[in-house]
Order: sequence, then C-alpha cells, then structure tokens
Amino acid sequence: EAGVAQSPRYKIIEKRQSVAFWCNPISGHATLYWYQQILGQGPKLLIQFQNNGVVDDSQLPKDRFSAERLKGVDSTLKIQPAKLEDSAVYLCASSPRQINSPLHFGNGTRLTVT
Amino acid sequence: GQNIDQPTEMTATEGAIVQINCTYQTSGFNGLFWYQQHAGEAPTFLSYNVLDGLEEKGRFSSFLSRSKGYSYLLLKELQMKDSASYLCAVRGTMDSSYKLIFGSGTRLLVRP
Repeated sequence: EAGVAQSPRYKIIEKRQSVAFWCNPISGHATLYWYQQILGQGPKLLIQFQNNGVVDDSQLPKDRFSAERLKGVDSTLKIQPAKLEDSAVYLCASSPRQINSPLHFGNGTRLTVT
Repeated sequence: GQNIDQPTEMTATEGAIVQINCTYQTSGFNGLFWYQQHAGEAPTFLSYNVLDGLEEKGRFSSFLSRSKGYSYLLLKELQMKDSASYLCAVRGTMDSSYKLIFGSGTRLLVRP
C-alpha cells in the first residue's frame, strides 16, 4: 500500500510569512494527525481528525495555526504568521479507527523560519 | 495530564544487548507503542503492548507493567543500523480522544 504522502519536503520562510503543508493519508485510514517535532524532542500532537471532524486540537496555537480535512481524506496545515520558534519538522500520520492500530507517519516537512 | 520519561542517550556495542526504559504517568491508558526514528526520517512502528508482559518480535522485545507505569524495549544482537532514536508513546482513553502522546525519545548510539 502507498504510504502517507507529505509535501513539500523542505520549506524556508522568513518570520511573519505564511506557509502551508499538505498531507495525503493511507487510503481508508479514518484518523489523521499533525505532529510538530522540534529537533531533539519527541513529536508533539497539534491536531487530530476523525474523518473530516476535529477530535482534538487542544495543543494547536489557534492564533496562528489552522488545519482542515474537508473531504475526510487529505489535509492541510497552515501557519500564518510564522515565528522563529515554529522551526521544526511537521509530521503527518494516519491510522485506522481501531485504538490498537499504530500510526503510520509521512516523511515530514522540515520548516526553517529565519 | 500525561508524563512520559525516557533516558536522553544511551551507548552500546555492536552485538550486545541494550534495554531502553520508559516510565509514564497518565490519567488513562489504552496501550503503549515503541517507534524507531533514524535521523531525518519518519518514526516507524516497532511494537505495541496493552497487557502486562513481554512481546517478542525477532531481535526486538517490549515489556509492559501497567501497575508500575513502566515499559522497556530490549534490542538484542545490536547492529550498527540500530543507531537511532527510540520513542515511547502512550495512548489515552476515550476521554482524551485516544490521543497518542510521545516521550522525548532515547538516542541510541551503537559502536563497533
């Protein structure tokens, strides 16, 4: 099966600019996650979707971050305006609905904010 | 809330055995996952424990004690390619939307 697809692979922007990341999960996976991973740390959950509904966005900085999964398939994560501390790898993951199912991760987007 | 602790770094020798510990404090528990992450790559799934005991998968084994809030990942016959970060992650209950929360990871260096 095809894996989780993410683009772009790398992005460099200046602070206060905006940026968007795209994710296409594994076909049939109901749950989609966006994680932020700062260098040397574990992934931090930003938002979790079940089909096209938000299940958890308690850790999403909603003043600058937004995400959508309109048709319950692919998803976009946007940052506007970016700050220096947003420099990180943004990982998208998907999983089937069952709670014992592991997450499958994409290769991530490495964002550098200068 | 949830708290997951792992050692930051470990070093081991090729061919040896290494045990990476993980302790957790969570308000709810629905399983513990171990992931491997090579530098610059995505995490990949290694193992899942939801009941107490040992799960073995080839050179890798994972143990869970729910009463102690403790797990370990055991890597046998270490190879150079096992140099990576190992992430412990705990899945919460329905109250927390079954969120998967990760520890900070343990960076393992395998030396010849």
